[in-house]
Amino acid sequence: DAGITQSPRHKVTETGTPVTLRCHQTENHRYMYWYRQDPGHGLRLIHYSYGVKDTDKGEVSDGYSVSRSKTEDFLLTLESATSSQTSVYFCASNRDGTDTQYFGPGTRLTVL
Amino acid sequence: GESVGLHLPTLSVQEGDNSIINCAYSNSASDYFIWYKQESGKGPQFIIDIRSNMDKRQGQRVTVLLNKTVKHLSLQIAATQPGDSAVYFCADSGGGADGLTFGKGTHLIIQP
Repeated sequence: DAGITQSPRHKVTETGTPVTLRCHQTENHRYMYWYRQDPGHGLRLIHYSYGVKDTDKGEVSDGYSVSRSKTEDFLLTLESATSSQTSVYFCASNRDGTDTQYFGPGTRLTVL
Repeated sequence: GESVGLHLPTLSVQEGDNSIINCAYSNSASDYFIWYKQESGKGPQFIIDIRSNMDKRQGQRVTVLLNKTVKHLSLQIAATQPGDSAVYFCADSGGGADGLTFGKGTHLIIQP
């Protein structure tokens, strides 16, 4: 597996507060992704990046923003967290020329 | 958009038996298919993949079969072990930068 880490692993926050989740990979992969996983929905794409400073929206991007200033880091920001954003968030990456994504361990976020 | 789906949400098998997990896809442009295993509290782990120019691929105790005529994908696990208990996801890709589209998953339960 690619060396993908996520931080924090668990977070509890209150409605209306900003939250930033970090994904870090050590494989020099070009592509990175943020997903959320909810019961009954499986993995849904929030945002993805195809290079430094190159990002695009996924299926469920409302309420989320991302940034990628370095190849190894992909940040997901909830500008003003809502209870509907309570979920498990996964980061994934793959190198150019391949479709196989490798996943991080996930971040469990609870918005009260 | 089109999505990948699974036939059954839960599959229960006896230890030592073979397991077959099925998946239907609808995107005729998909040319890459992948199976992931997700254990409780962990991120999805790559198992095996297959390209559309193949109809079968084998790994260690796992085989993926692809039937493009009926848009069907299956994962076969030989001699199922307790450690195989997990949720299994299929996913597909048409080669776009937004990567994979995931099914909701099948929970494989191993009976002693």
